[in-house]
Amino acid sequence: QSALTQPPSASGSPGQSVTISCTGTSSDVGGYNYVSWYQQHPGKAPKLMIYEVNKRPSGVPDRFSGSKSGNTASLTVSGLQAEDEADYYCSSYAGSKKSFVFGGGTKLTVL
Amino acid sequence: EVQLVESGGGLVQPGRSRRLSCAASGFTFDDYAMHWVRQVPGKGLEWVSGISWNSGSIDYADSVKGRFTISRDNAKNSLYLQMNSLRAEDTAFYYCAKDKDYDILNTFDYWGQGTLVTVSS
Repeated sequence: QSALTQPPSASGSPGQSVTISCTGTSSDVGGYNYVSWYQQHPGKAPKLMIYEVNKRPSGVPDRFSGSKSGNTASLTVSGLQAEDEADYYCSSYAGSKKSFVFGGGTKLTVL
Repeated sequence: EVQLVESGGGLVQPGRSRRLSCAASGFTFDDYAMHWVRQVPGKGLEWVSGISWNSGSIDYADSVKGRFTISRDNAKNSLYLQMNSLRAEDTAFYYCAKDKDYDILNTFDYWGQGTLVTVSS
C-alpha cells in the first residue's frame, strides 16, 4: 500500500481537462511544499512534470499545472493530447525520518 | 545535457550482494543530492535512498535500512548502491535520480534509464 493515495485511473477526451488527486497526511503533502508529479510512458523512465507543488520545469507544456489544499495535491492536465496518455505519480518529501513517499500511480487514458 | 547511466544490474541469488553504479554527466555532480528509486515491473515507484552533495546526510527507506548502503564519489561523478542480503522482493528496476537541491529535500529532476535487478535462485 502506497503512502500517498491516487486514483488508479483517469480519462478524458482530446482537448478536455482532467485532474488527478494525491492525498497524504500532515506529515508529508500537508507539511511541506515539496510535492512533485512525474509522467511515465511504458518502458521509459519517469519524467518530472511539476515540482514544489506548482512549478513547471523548463520544457514542460503549460497545459500541466499543480496545486495543493491541505493534505491533498492535484495535477491538472488541460487541453488533453494523445501523448499525455501515461502513468502519473505524485511524490512528497516526508521529513528526515521517511524522506520521500510516492503515490501508487494513476493511468491516464486519452479517449 | 544531463545524463545518468546506471549499471550493475542482473540476476543474483537470494542472500547475495550486488553493487549498482550510476555515472553522471552534464551537470556539476557535487552540487546536488542524488537518489536511488526502484520500481517493480508493472508496479509503482519506491524511493530507496538519498545522499546529500557532500555525503553528510544519508537516508534510507525502512525496507532496505541495514542492508543497502548508498555512497558517492564526487571526483568520479559517480553514485553507488551496495545491496546486501538481497531478497526476492528487492527485484525491481533501480533508477538513479538527481535532486534539484544540494540536500535530500526537493525533487527528482533527472532520471537514468534504470537497471534491472532480479533476485532469484
